[in-house]
Amino acid sequence: EAQVTQNPRYLITVTGKKLTVTCSQNMNHEYMSWYRQDPGLGLRQIYYSMNVEVTDKGDVPEGYKVSRKEKRNFPLILESPSPNQTSLYFCASWKGEGSTEAFFGQGTRLTVV
Amino acid sequence: AQKVTQAQTEISVVEKEDVTLDCVYETRDTTYYLFWYKQPPSGELVFLIRRNSFDEQNEISGRYSWNFQKSTSSFNFTITASQVVDSAVYFCALSEAVGSGNTGKLIFGQGTTLQVKP
Repeated sequence: EAQVTQNPRYLITVTGKKLTVTCSQNMNHEYMSWYRQDPGLGLRQIYYSMNVEVTDKGDVPEGYKVSRKEKRNFPLILESPSPNQTSLYFCASWKGEGSTEAFFGQGTRLTVV
Repeated sequence: AQKVTQAQTEISVVEKEDVTLDCVYETRDTTYYLFWYKQPPSGELVFLIRRNSFDEQNEISGRYSWNFQKSTSSFNFTITASQVVDSAVYFCALSEAVGSGNTGKLIFGQGTTLQVKP
């Protein structure tokens, strides 16, 4: 089954404690991206990747890091989380040229206290 | 710059009423795609429809219908005979065509929360 898998689904952490949210897709998609969802703001892109070892900033990259060492994985790293990063996070992947249908993970609800 | 506006923050209707969710977009691209997603209380994003900029035909899928009008840059979504299970947050989104430096990034509207009361 074609899918994007995020882990964990829920996470409560403390300010400053490094964390990683994993994202994996099984569709051999070139493009992957992370979004955060906040009330009244919709979903905003944090980072994206067009292929292995190719990443770039989205609209709200501050406080986040990503890596793309393998095509299927695109982890989101918060080196020093702060309460303003409390949000619902989504990972997405899409094929690339000629296709814009994005597949989304189930979401990760992060709370930073 | 690309932008999607969903002016209706919250809508409340009684079951069996028809309801229209508005979506207005801005883009300079001539080739683009428009989407609607549903987010039920469980939180996942459910893909409903994709429409490309060259196809202005309206689409109907069961109780759902979509009206795409390039002249007014709108892509409205109507639910006919609403049901309690339609209660969710609905997002309209826009993306550029991938290629020539474009990444296919999705630009989302703010979302409209629909509450259908029994």
